[in-house]
Amino acid sequence: QVQLQQSGPGLVKPSQTLSLTCAISGDSVSSNSAAWNWIRQSPSRGLEWLGRTYYRSKWYNDYAISVKSRITINPDTSKNQFSLQLNSVTPEDTAVYYCGSGSTWPIDYWGQGTLVTVSS
Amino acid sequence: DIVMTQSPDSLAVSLGERATINCKSSQSVLYSSNNKNYLAWYQQKAGQPPKVLIYWASTRESGVPDRFSGSGSGTDFTLTISSLQAEDVAVYYCQQYYSSPYTFGQGTKLEIK
Repeated sequence: QVQLQQSGPGLVKPSQTLSLTCAISGDSVSSNSAAWNWIRQSPSRGLEWLGRTYYRSKWYNDYAISVKSRITINPDTSKNQFSLQLNSVTPEDTAVYYCGSGSTWPIDYWGQGTLVTVSS
Repeated sequence: DIVMTQSPDSLAVSLGERATINCKSSQSVLYSSNNKNYLAWYQQKAGQPPKVLIYWASTRESGVPDRFSGSGSGTDFTLTISSLQAEDVAVYYCQQYYSSPYTFGQGTKLEIK
C-alpha cells in the first residue's frame, strides 16, 4: 500500500515561491510504472491537475500549460520523495494542494492535502 | 484543453434509489488503437482527498462496491449508483487522462433526499 505524506508551509507571500514535498512509502519514486502528480483544488478553479514526474529509463516531466512557466516538479531519489515549486504566486494560487500517484493513471493514492494561502 | 462538463451540478436521491451522474468531454477520449476510453470517476467526501471509483470508463477499482458502475464511450459517460447508501453522500468528479492537461469536471454534489 502506497502512502503519501505532504509537508510544507501553509502561508506564502505574494510573488514568492510555494514549495511542498511529498514523501513516499510503499513504492519508489524511481518506479518504472508509477507517476507522481501534483493537483490543487479551490472553489474558483475546482480540481486542477498541475503536473507530474515519472521515470521510464529516464526522468520525464509533464506540466499544465496554465502554470508551465512557473512550476517545477522534482524527484528526490535519496529521500524517496518529490517536490512542487510554484514561483511568483498570487492570491489566485490559494488552494488545497494534493500530491497523488498511480500506475500512470488514474490517481490511486493521494496525500492528505495542504491548504496553502497566498497572502501578505 | 479538453473541457469536462458534468450534469447535474447537484442531485438529491432517496436511500435505495438510483443516482445517475453524467459527464461530457469536449472531444473524444477514446483511443482508437486500444479501444479504451481514458476516463475516470472519483468520489470526494468532505475533508478528504478524492478516491478513484472507476477507470477506463467502466472498470471498477478494487474494493469499490458493485453498486457503482460506469458506462459510455467517446464523449458521453455516466456514473450510476444503483441503490444509494448514506455513505455515498459526496461530490463526484470525472477526469480525462487522454491528453495533457488532465482535466476534471466541475463536480456533482450528491445528497440524500
